[in-house]
Amino acid sequence: EIVMTQSPATLSVSPGERATLSCRASQSVSSNLAWYQQKSGQAPRLLIYGASTRATGIPARFSGSGSGTEFTLTISSLQSEDFAVYYCQQYNNWPPGDTFGQGTKLEIK
Amino acid sequence: EVQLVESGGGLVQPGGSLRLSCAASGFAVSSSFMSWVRQAPGKGLEWVSIIYPGGTTYSADSVNGRFTISRDKTKNTLYLQMNSLRAEDTALYYCARTYFYDSRTRGFDIWGQGTMVTVSS
Repeated sequence: EIVMTQSPATLSVSPGERATLSCRASQSVSSNLAWYQQKSGQAPRLLIYGASTRATGIPARFSGSGSGTEFTLTISSLQSEDFAVYYCQQYNNWPPGDTFGQGTKLEIK
Repeated sequence: EVQLVESGGGLVQPGGSLRLSCAASGFAVSSSFMSWVRQAPGKGLEWVSIIYPGGTTYSADSVNGRFTISRDKTKNTLYLQMNSLRAEDTALYYCARTYFYDSRTRGFDIWGQGTMVTVSS
């Protein structure tokens, strides 16, 4: 099983500042990685797929980068609605054995 | 409107069974890759099972042999039959559509609101 490790567990950032979230895979997943945002009491929402492509309706302040084992989600200028938990997910395995990271909680500083 | 609505969760004793349903609207379950994903209280996300448009199914090792994913084309509904339930199966269960952007690139693009399963005596 591919293990996904996210860091930090909690990130405190002020509104308007940049946030950088990391995700590391235990083995290469190429660019087969997605990012999700989950607000309290809500279902996850797809933000990024293919490591760097924004999903439909996702604002341009969200960007993803990386390949292989190291990935980054950057939020360029934090808005109040961006404070949430973020998960990375690898889907390199086929048949599927998708695995998620444990999440990074982005909180207001 | 494209949406998924889960139902069927509840409190069940260890060793018991439960069947979850996920009613879809705005798209066809039978021609989509559909999954169940769960989230234990205060924890992260765990993929559980998937069914392909052709009917092939796969499940995580943690539930293999106990959980069965299926669908009803006429009702446009996805199901998860859960048997031999354990305390560690306690979680919010989401159904989600896997959308393929190309032959390899995909993501869970539509999610339901989840249904809670609690396994306890």
